[in-house]
Amino acid sequence: TQLLEQSPQFLSIQEGENLTVYCNSSSVFSSLQWYRQEPGEGPVLLVTVVTGGEVKKLKRLTFQFGDARKDSSLHITAAQPGDTGLYLCAGQQFYNTDKLIFGTGTRLQVFP
Amino acid sequence: GAVVSQHPSWVICKSGTSVKIECRSLDFQATTMFWYRQFPKQSLMLMATSNEGSKATYEQGVEKDKFLINHASLTLSTLTVTSAHPEDSSFYICSASRGTSGNNEQFFGPGTRLTVL
Repeated sequence: TQLLEQSPQFLSIQEGENLTVYCNSSSVFSSLQWYRQEPGEGPVLLVTVVTGGEVKKLKRLTFQFGDARKDSSLHITAAQPGDTGLYLCAGQQFYNTDKLIFGTGTRLQVFP
Repeated sequence: GAVVSQHPSWVICKSGTSVKIECRSLDFQATTMFWYRQFPKQSLMLMATSNEGSKATYEQGVEKDKFLINHASLTLSTLTVTSAHPEDSSFYICSASRGTSGNNEQFFGPGTRLTVL
């Protein structure tokens, strides 16, 4: 059973458009991370959110952790071809903060 | 800092043979290392967690006799896929954690693509 569901699964957009990726769960997480992975490479950490309701910005990327710590979103403004990749959320649970549970993934393609 | 390497980056082997994949933390000591498997167009699935000097903890459904994990030092963990079969073909990714108090961030390796013929 996948604890973290991401939507959409696939997203294909034109350069300059905005998009939002959602990461949802019925479980509560102590923290949640977002990664981007390019083909043939390991995932690269973008951000960690730890407080319910927290909002973090990284240039054109805005990350939000839900108040109940069960969900998160990633919003990209004015997407660029360089944003293309697989976006993964991953959560750490309170009783085992060593372990990361990865979401189902969202594959983003940005066309010039 | 916090660089993790994997070797080899890709390997092709015949069915029935064993393959060893190494995961090294290059500039820090990793008390805990993790092994993930990723099938095409899918997310990462945790296979096992290993702590230096102790036996690995395997996730449900992962055969410990097939995927042998050794974490002999604070900078090296190995995953051996024994008697590999075509269905074991996948992208294997390791990560390493310093495991210090309040900071258990995982640093990921670049992955190893295994193809079993």
